[in-house]
Amino acid sequence: QVQLVESGGGLVKPGGSLRLSCAASGFTFSDYYMNWLRQAPGKGLEWVSYISISGSDIYYADSVKGRFTISRDNAKNSLYLQMNSLRADDTAVYYCARDAVTLVRGPNYMDVWGKGTTVTVSS
Amino acid sequence: DIQMTQSPPTLSASIGDRVTITCRASQSISSWLAWYQQKPGKAPKLLISKASSLEGGVPSRFSGSGSGTEFTLTINSLQPDDFATYYCQQYHSYSSFGQGTKVEIK
Repeated sequence: QVQLVESGGGLVKPGGSLRLSCAASGFTFSDYYMNWLRQAPGKGLEWVSYISISGSDIYYADSVKGRFTISRDNAKNSLYLQMNSLRADDTAVYYCARDAVTLVRGPNYMDVWGKGTTVTVSS
Repeated sequence: DIQMTQSPPTLSASIGDRVTITCRASQSISSWLAWYQQKPGKAPKLLISKASSLEGGVPSRFSGSGSGTEFTLTINSLQPDDFATYYCQQYHSYSSFGQGTKVEIK
């Protein structure tokens, strides 16, 4: 079945780094744009980053620009988020999500979500 | 940046009630709006795209309307499975979400 599985979350100190991964299965990963989103404890959803199929188009939320880097490996059906200079307000559940619209530059709405991986930034 | 404002933040309702949630955009987003349902500890589930297009498998008691800056999500005849938090999302310019509306049991 169509599935996204995130991994790589954990506890990290302020200023530290973490790399999240998202493994896709059940669909042709290289046909879809992809996104990272996050949700801080008890808070709403926040879109974090978007990447096109080839990786030529990449966008970030202002809150992570310059600190986070999105990438993908279509051969490995995987999406990544490199997070540097982490701050306490980066603490959240991080979701990868499939852009529902093909052939139209996104980000668009998201039709498939992973279960999320938790990132905690604390000393 | 486009700001999305949902109201109310919390809504108390009973089984069988008709529920309406409003989402306002800080500028026109045409019909580039989606609605999601999220239950505690779970990922969001897509309900509606392009303001009013119901996703496959979503019960017909859910409906969406609006364009420009004002949108509504309506749930007709609220069911036990509908108690959750609902989010609107604009995708006209990058992406941003409303702060959510929690639908709880009255």
